[in-house]
Amino acid sequence: AQSVTQPDIHITVSEGASLELRCNYSYGATPYLFWYVQSPGQGLQLLLKYFSGDTLVQGIKGFEAEFKRSQSSFNLRKPSVHWSDAAEYFCAVYSWGKFQFGAGTQVVVTP
Amino acid sequence: GAVVSQHPSWVICKSGTSVKIECRSLDFQATTMFWYRQFPKQSLMLMATSNEGSKATYEQGVEKDKFLINHASLTLSTLTVTSAHPEDSSFYICSAVRDKTGNTIYFGEGSWLTVV
Repeated sequence: AQSVTQPDIHITVSEGASLELRCNYSYGATPYLFWYVQSPGQGLQLLLKYFSGDTLVQGIKGFEAEFKRSQSSFNLRKPSVHWSDAAEYFCAVYSWGKFQFGAGTQVVVTP
Repeated sequence: GAVVSQHPSWVICKSGTSVKIECRSLDFQATTMFWYRQFPKQSLMLMATSNEGSKATYEQGVEKDKFLINHASLTLSTLTVTSAHPEDSSFYICSAVRDKTGNTIYFGEGSWLTVV
């Protein structure tokens, strides 16, 4: 069955520290891959997306993600987090006309 | 600026009434729009796929008679929650696909529905 997995429900990170959010997918072919961020009570903001080509994708707000076909992963990274990065992060795939979201990872940033 | 607009952003309705949420693509024609529901602290769940000029395709477990979707034009899809109940209270988000490759997918700002 097709699926998107975000293994970490909740991550706490200190401001200035690095952040990595994991995402694994299970699809028959390489789907389109996305990372979105959602602040409380708000809609979704696209951070970055991968369709093909360079497997290291740069996004907004200093985020990047690396697609690894062998691991069926698309992990999101940021070298140094800011307090404003505290939010819910969703990995998503678009394949065969459908969008499927992971369960989300809540990121808490401590001083 | 936003390329997909949802309206209303917030709506409160009484149990048993119906409420309509609009999703508009502002500067492009969207042959396909998607409707999602998100309960508090949960992920987005696809409810249905809305295709212009044809009936919507509903995901398993979503009542098509309760959640009416109309994609009357290439820039507008509407979701009507009929005979709303408190358990329908949720955050509803639409997305619009700009081209069939899926290269450009835009999300609306979402609509909070509270049924009292």
